[in-house]
Amino acid sequence: EDKVVQSPLSLVVHEGDTVTLNCSYEVTNFRSLLWYKQEKKAPTFLFMLTSSGIEKKSGRLSSILDKKELFSILNITATQTGDSAIYLCAVRNRDDKIIFGKGTRLHILP
Amino acid sequence: NAGVTQTPKFRVLKTGQSMTLLCAQDMNHEYMYWYRQDPGMGLRLIHYSVGEGTTAKGEVPDGYNVSRLKKQNFLLGLESAAPSQTSVYFCASSYVAGEVYTGELFFGEGSRLTVL
Repeated sequence: EDKVVQSPLSLVVHEGDTVTLNCSYEVTNFRSLLWYKQEKKAPTFLFMLTSSGIEKKSGRLSSILDKKELFSILNITATQTGDSAIYLCAVRNRDDKIIFGKGTRLHILP
Repeated sequence: NAGVTQTPKFRVLKTGQSMTLLCAQDMNHEYMYWYRQDPGMGLRLIHYSVGEGTTAKGEVPDGYNVSRLKKQNFLLGLESAAPSQTSVYFCASSYVAGEVYTGELFFGEGSRLTVL
């Protein structure tokens, strides 16, 4: 059975800290891994990763995929209170089934 | 562009009642998905569709049915609602790989359903 496991489930840090969020997966016929940020309503897209070792970067956020070890990390540097959110990891297989992990709830203290 | 629109946004049902959630997208996307979100559970896939006239089961399909009669619409039905189906439901759609494919799912704003 396909599954996505995120850790930690909850994290509280101070503004300015760097955080690393983890996502491991087991999926048949992997196609891509996706990261989303969810604040009050619908999730918003951050990154799609398909190849190992290639870092995707957007401002203070970056992510990388390891297809051999079946995991991805999402890094946020110099965190700000606006980074407080639930971060969701999802995996898409070749049948285009997309399943999510339980998310990491990140809270940034001012 | 409206993007992905879900109706209704809120609904309260009594146990045993039926209802249908409508998801409409105006981006000509092939793929559409229904998820439910409960506290601490992330998004769980109910059903999805890879094209008009096709549907497939997700992780938690029991108690739900879906139909994709038109490419732009994906309907989620509850035949006999149960309190365990109290949740926030999200619809999402995406491109076919190869058509400006980013892998991004475009989400609706969510529908909050309460079953008493």
